[in-house]
Amino acid sequence: GAVVSQHPSRVICKSGTSVKIECRSLDFQATTMFWYRQFPKQSLMLMATSNEGSKATYEQGVEKDKFLINHASLTLSTLTVTSAHPEDSSFYICSAISSAGGPYSYEQYFGPGTRLTVT
Amino acid sequence: AQSVTQLGSHVSVSEGALVLLRCNYSSSVPPYLFWYVQYPNQGLQLLLKYTSAATLVKGINGFEAEFKKSETSFHLTKPSAHMSDAAEYFCAVSVMDSNYQLIWGAGTKLIIKP
Repeated sequence: GAVVSQHPSRVICKSGTSVKIECRSLDFQATTMFWYRQFPKQSLMLMATSNEGSKATYEQGVEKDKFLINHASLTLSTLTVTSAHPEDSSFYICSAISSAGGPYSYEQYFGPGTRLTVT
Repeated sequence: AQSVTQLGSHVSVSEGALVLLRCNYSSSVPPYLFWYVQYPNQGLQLLLKYTSAATLVKGINGFEAEFKKSETSFHLTKPSAHMSDAAEYFCAVSVMDSNYQLIWGAGTKLIIKP
């Protein structure tokens, strides 16, 4: 149980185009989802926290107009990188917290990540 | 504010030797503590977690960690390293009053020598 998927796993796009990354909780409903960015050989950097039906909360320094996050349902959150540039190339990881509550209501379940390369 | 410090960006051990990865945390409230493993180009896998129950926590793949409040530590150990343990390991702390955001350590790369 508690499986999170991401699609696509890898994407290459041209500079100036937009890319959408999907994060889905497959067997549970997620009130809260997180989006992380990871540079090579570095730790995860939290980009934003999204709650279903409300606007995402972005971390300081993250451009909300560039990284559009939509948490339209309890099982799907999307991250759209708009007008991508080579410096946006990175590994993007999402995670989700179950809305079921109970003793594991704090635990984040991670997706496998999406490798974005902007040429 | 919460913070996590992982001592040693790289740890190298021989196959069969003890693995010890160090993690110290800072938290003003009782924390939840986690260890995750990440293999190259993959997502994160939960190894184990501390949630205020038993202070010695056993996880997957033979790993365990001990929560020591007096030392504010949550070190990860494994009695005998395998080649397959080579990966990046992250310690993280989570607190209820921050929407359960995870505060991450910088990570430790575990290298296994044959």
